[in-house]
Order: sequence, then structure tokens, then C-alpha cells
Amino acid sequence: AQSVTQPDIHITVSEGASLELRCNYSYGATPYLFWYVQSPGQGLQLLLKYFSGDTLVQGIKGFEAEFKRSQSSFNLRKPSVHWSDAAEYFCAVALMEYGNKLVFGAGTILRVKS
Amino acid sequence: ETGVTQSPTHLIKTRGQQVTLRCSSQSGHNTVSWYQQALGQGPQFIFQYYREEENGRGNFPPRFSGLQFPNYSSELNVNALELDDSALYLCASSPQGASTEAFFGQGTRLTVV
Repeated sequence: AQSVTQPDIHITVSEGASLELRCNYSYGATPYLFWYVQSPGQGLQLLLKYFSGDTLVQGIKGFEAEFKRSQSSFNLRKPSVHWSDAAEYFCAVALMEYGNKLVFGAGTILRVKS
Repeated sequence: ETGVTQSPTHLIKTRGQQVTLRCSSQSGHNTVSWYQQALGQGPQFIFQYYREEENGRGNFPPRFSGLQFPNYSSELNVNALELDDSALYLCASSPQGASTEAFFGQGTRLTVV
């Protein structure tokens, strides 16, 4: 079955430090991959997406992600974290054969310490 | 261009009752999906509507039902509410059936007591 795994439930980084959030997926076909961010009590905001082409994709707020087919991974990175980046981050894969259904990981809560 | 709007923002219901949640899709979007996000979990796909027809359903019982209207707005109905239905319900709209980029609303927080 299709699934998305985010191994880290919580991550704490210092402001200004670099960040990498891990995401692994299980899906037989070429995946469409996404990273969303959610602030407490809010909806989901799209950070970036990968459909095809260049495996390094740039998103909003200085985030980037790299698709590695051999590792079934789509890790999110940011070179320098800001206090406003504290939120919950979700990785998701779109299953086109199921009407564009999104399958989400369980999320990673990012805490930023000053 | 207005975004995806959901109403109400918060709701408290009693076990066994019925509830209707509403979603107005973003202008120009004809596909609406609904997700349930329980506390501490990622969103789970409930179903999707494309041009007023159900177009995919997740692993939810039939007491979860939906509608899409000609203006592409949508409703999620849940009958015989259970305590485990307490969650944030998210609506997402997409510009075309083939597009996978979903734009999410702020959600409706449902509490069942």
C-alpha cells in the first residue's frame, strides 16, 4: 500500500542553523510529491512540489527539497531557520489513479530555539 | 481571487447527532477534496468531488457523505457522530481534475461530546 513516512516526530533547531526534514514514500509509480506547512489551528500551506524534471525543487520561504528515486526520499531543507518557521511540516504523495488523493505522512513538529 | 473558505470554524456536537460542514472552493477550481485530521496525525483523505460527481473515496464509512454544487462549493455530512469523529476537517480545491496541486482552507474543528 502507498505510504509516506516522516521518521522524526519532533525536531528542535537553533535559529540560524540549517534544517533537514526527512520523508520517505512507498509508491509503485512515479510519485508527485509535496511538502506542506501547518501553523497551530490552521490549514495547510503548500511549500513546494515535485512533478518531474529537476530533482532539486525550490519553494517558498527559502525552502528546497530533493527527490531521490533510489532512496524513495523527498527531504526538505533550509539553510538558515527563522523563528517564524516553527510549525508542523507534512510530506505528501499524490495518487493520480485515485482521483488525485493525497497521502500524508504523520508530520514533523519543528521547534526553533533562540 | 478568493481562497478556499470553510464554515463554521468550530463546532461542538453530541454523539449520535448529524453535522454538515461547508466549503467554498477557490475561484476557477472544479475539484474539491475533504480530509480528516485527528489530533497529532496527518490528514486522511475522505473523498473527492469533480464536477459534482464523487471521484475517489478513502477508507471512511458510508455515514460520511458529500455533495458538490454547480458553483463547485461542497458539503461534508457526517451522520451518527462518534467521539472519534472529533478532528479538524480540511477542504482542498484544485483547478482541474488532472492537476494535483491542492489549496487548503483553514479547516473546521469538530468536537463530539
